[in-house]
Amino acid sequence: KQEVTQIPAALSVPEGENLVLNCSFTDSAIYNLQWFRQDPGKGLTSLLLIQSSQREQTSGRLNASLDKSSGRSTLYIAASQPGDSATYLCALNAGKSTFGDGTTLTVKP
Amino acid sequence: DTEVTQTPKHLVMGMTNKKSLKCEQHMGHRAMYWYKQKAKKPPELMFVYSYEKLSINESVPSRFSPECPNSSLLNLHLHALQPEDSALYLCASSPLVYNEQFFGPGTRLTVL
Repeated sequence: KQEVTQIPAALSVPEGENLVLNCSFTDSAIYNLQWFRQDPGKGLTSLLLIQSSQREQTSGRLNASLDKSSGRSTLYIAASQPGDSATYLCALNAGKSTFGDGTTLTVKP
Repeated sequence: DTEVTQTPKHLVMGMTNKKSLKCEQHMGHRAMYWYKQKAKKPPELMFVYSYEKLSINESVPSRFSPECPNSSLLNLHLHALQPEDSALYLCASSPLVYNEQFFGPGTRLTVL
């Protein structure tokens, strides 16, 4: 059974800081990994999708990496802004989707 | 149209009621999903439809009944729910199963 862990559970940083969110998984037999953000009480917004054969994807200030051999993915956020405050979830797609518990990010002005 | 829509946004129902949740997408996606999300927890997969056929049922109680009448529409029929079924119900779609998933805003369900 796939287990997905996200560390830290919560993170508070001052505006402008660069930060890294972590996602660990136990089964490397995946189709892809997707990073989402979720604002309170809202749906999920897709940020980045990394296919199993890829090592990283970039979109604006976001960069996600995937290392299947170590069972890890990271989401790097550059020059954080208060609008980045949200819960960030990683999801492994491997026959079914399994989500981590998320990291709640607060960026203070 | 590049979004997934869900109606209603909020729903309050009694344990004896019958209600339905609706999800729609016009992106030509052939896979659609229902998830359940409790407060401060990640989404849990309930059902997956591929080409309008049910491909995954994650051992969901029969009081939840999904339906995919066409490639754009996904329903979740609710009957005799319990208070513990109160949650945010999320719909998602993807071009094919386990491609990039796009989520709707969810329906906040409260069972009294």
